[in-house]
Amino acid sequence: KNQVEQSPQSLIILEGKNCTLQCNYTVSPFSNLRWYKQDTGRGPVSLTIMTFSENTKSNGRYTATLDADTKQSSLHITASQLSDSASYICVVSEKGSYIPTFGRGTSLIVHP
Amino acid sequence: DGGITQSPKYLFRKEGQNVTLSCEQNLNHDAMYWYRQDPGQGLRLIYYSQIVNDFQKGDIAEGYSVSREKKESFPLTVTSAQKNPTAFYLCASSKEGLAGPTDTQYFGPGTRLTVL
Repeated sequence: KNQVEQSPQSLIILEGKNCTLQCNYTVSPFSNLRWYKQDTGRGPVSLTIMTFSENTKSNGRYTATLDADTKQSSLHITASQLSDSASYICVVSEKGSYIPTFGRGTSLIVHP
Repeated sequence: DGGITQSPKYLFRKEGQNVTLSCEQNLNHDAMYWYRQDPGQGLRLIYYSQIVNDFQKGDIAEGYSVSREKKESFPLTVTSAQKNPTAFYLCASSKEGLAGPTDTQYFGPGTRLTVL
């Protein structure tokens, strides 16, 4: 069964600090991996999408990495801001499937 | 102003009643999806539709029904058969369906359903 595991479950950091969120998956054959940001009570918003051949992709202060061999991805947030407080969800799609597998998310709280 | 709209934002229902959640998109996307989100859990797929007049069950379709009569609209009905309907419901759309390597889902703002 396809699985996506995210760690840590929750994280508290001070404003201005960096942090890294982890995503491990068992989805195979792999098509792509997406990171979403979800503010409380709202729909997720896409941050990055990565295919098999990509190992790094940036979107402003967000940088995602992908190691397709070890089936691991990370999302690095640089110089965190209060507005970064949200849940970050890793989503992995299987090649040929219309049903992606969602992780449970990492809840990030940025304190002033 | 393009995007996906869901209504209402909050919905209260008495046990035994059916209720319909609205989802509309003006992105000209072919594929639409309904997810359920519970605290501490990942999103779970209820139904999805790749084209008009066609839809498929997801992982947790029991107690739910959908229709896709128009490309822009994909309403979800939560029936009285759904044993635990209180949850946050998210609608999404994508251009061609997620089998494509770079296709991305765009999510609506969600509807929070509470059964009293």
